[in-house]
This record gives sequence, C-alpha cells and structure tokens, in this order.
Amino acid sequence: KAGVTQTPRYLIKTRGQQVTLSCSPISGHRSVSWYQQTPGQGLQFLFEYFSETQRNKGNFPGRFSGRQFSNSRSEMNVSTLELGDSALYLCASSLDRTSGRNEQFFGPGTRLTVL
Amino acid sequence: AQSVSQHNHHVILSEAASLELGCNYSYGGTVNLFWYVQYPGQHLQLLLKYFSGDPLVKGIKGFEAEFIKSKFSFNLRKPSVQWSDTAEYFCAVTILYNFNKFYFGSGTKLNVKP
Repeated sequence: KAGVTQTPRYLIKTRGQQVTLSCSPISGHRSVSWYQQTPGQGLQFLFEYFSETQRNKGNFPGRFSGRQFSNSRSEMNVSTLELGDSALYLCASSLDRTSGRNEQFFGPGTRLTVL
Repeated sequence: AQSVSQHNHHVILSEAASLELGCNYSYGGTVNLFWYVQYPGQHLQLLLKYFSGDPLVKGIKGFEAEFIKSKFSFNLRKPSVQWSDTAEYFCAVTILYNFNKFYFGSGTKLNVKP
C-alpha cells in the first residue's frame, strides 16, 4: 500500500504571497490532519478533515485554511505569507476507527521557506 | 487545552547506555498514547502505541514504554541504545471523545555517540 504523499516537497515563496500544499492519504484513510513543525516547537496541530468537513481545528490564524475532497485528498492554503510561516508542513492520515484506536501515518512533509 | 510535556529537549548518550525519555500529559480521563520517531531526513514513524490493557508496551527496535496512569506519564525506554537510534522522538496523546485529534509534545532530540 502506498504511503501518505505530499506535494511539493520544497517550496520557496516571498512574504505576502500565498501557497497551496497537497496531501494524498493512504488508500482507505478518510481522516487527514495537518501539522506545522518548527525547531523547538514540535508539531503544532493545524486542522483535521474527515468526509470533506473540518472536524478539528488548532490555534492558527485564519490565513491558514484547508479543504478535503471526496477522494479524501486534502489541501492546505496559507495566504499572505509571513517569515514565521517557514516550516515543515506535515500531513497525516488515519483510518478513523469507531473503536477510537486510531494511529496516524505521516507523509514526508513540504518544506516551506518564506523570504 | 490538553498538553503534552517532554522535559528532555536534548539527550546525548554513548552507545550501550540505557535510555529513558519522559512524557507527561494533562488529561485526566481515558487516553491513547503514542511514541513517534523521526530519523534524520525521514518521515515520522510510529514506535509504539498504547490503547488499553498491559501498561507496559513493546514497540519496534527494542523500545518499550510504560503507562503510569497515576502519574499521567508514558515514558519511553531502551536498555541499550545504538548509534542508529539518533533521532527526534515525539510523544503524542489522544483523549476520550476525540480520538482523532493528536496532541504532540515538543520532541526530544537524541544523539548517540559511537
């Protein structure tokens, strides 16, 4: 089974621009979560999507948004980029078992650099 | 908001030394617990997980973790580390009624000297 894939792997943007990152979950996984990883901060939760709906949300400004498509693929968008948005953005997918015994599988991430 | 604390930010050990990384969480109810590892240049991958049952959980590569409910802790251990264990380790928690939102600690960087 193919793992979680993310595109692009690397991105360089300038302040004020916007960016869209893409994530394809493992086949059959309907829950997709996004995280921002920066040195010393660990993984900061952005949001989680399930069945095309945002089910959970972290504490990020409205410049960060996402969506999920009917095939469970997800995108996240950051508008009006700031220098502090430079980070590794990780996508994770899970099966969403009714038992609650969910584990997340991570993609390789998209390294975003804002100049 | 729930929190997960990893008090050791950076640990340096020599090969064959024993390892224990701390993880504490704040939620007082039912939890699922995880340890993930990120080797240099690689994806985050699951080391081990606890859902219920035996509080001593064994994972891959000789790692184990013990869930101590009274201490809100889930510490990671390995009796003898190898140079290849050099990586960043993250503890994560999900809580009752929302097992889809993962709360991660800030990570512990482990450097094993050959």
